[in-house]
Amino acid sequence: DADVTQTPRNRITKTGKRIMLECSQTKGHDRMYWYRQDPGLGLRLIYYSFDVKDINKGEISDGYSVSRQAQAKFSLSLESAIPNQTALYFCATSDSHRGYGGELFFGEGSRLTVL
Amino acid sequence: QKEVEQNSGPLSVPEGAIASLNCTYSDRGSQSFFWYRQYSGKSPELIMSIYSNGDKEDGRFTAQLNKASQYVSLLIRDSQPSDSATYLCAVLSAGGTSYGKLTFGQGTILTVHP
Repeated sequence: DADVTQTPRNRITKTGKRIMLECSQTKGHDRMYWYRQDPGLGLRLIYYSFDVKDINKGEISDGYSVSRQAQAKFSLSLESAIPNQTALYFCATSDSHRGYGGELFFGEGSRLTVL
Repeated sequence: QKEVEQNSGPLSVPEGAIASLNCTYSDRGSQSFFWYRQYSGKSPELIMSIYSNGDKEDGRFTAQLNKASQYVSLLIRDSQPSDSATYLCAVLSAGGTSYGKLTFGQGTILTVHP
């Protein structure tokens, strides 16, 4: 089984629908992240969390919300999806004691299409 | 100015050549720098980290850091077709409200042709 698991892996939805992407990890890492990837734009940070009680906005948090339900679980929600949120979403984890927290381990990605 | 900038390429090199990938960053207080590799359709994976000025070598890969110039590079010696991928530079913010935030460049697509 993957150390960082994302569900669903693929999702097609319609404008205005609420969508939740879930991430769980078995690595025991304290930090978790959500990034989106668009062609030519690299990875852009949506939200990141250092522990269950610490959640921070990234570069592009508008239109998104997150919940850190437990150390191992970090979910991303789109309250009302719009077409420009069509992208590949990655969850990642890191250990704050390794590489100052910069050594990220990524899930396999969730491809979201908003029609 | 973008926080982390890379030459988007694509960069094409012949097998056996040295591939040179470059990255500049804007946060002068950053102390930790990383290179990730992403094969098409796959997740990024860490290949190098560097924290001090100078060179760090790991097999065919060498990372170079110059904090005064705010410049990070990755050299791949004896390039192989299996090195064909997108290479992502990432910079870790060290302080202020962005503490612990890892910012990626847009990536450089590398193609190694036989």
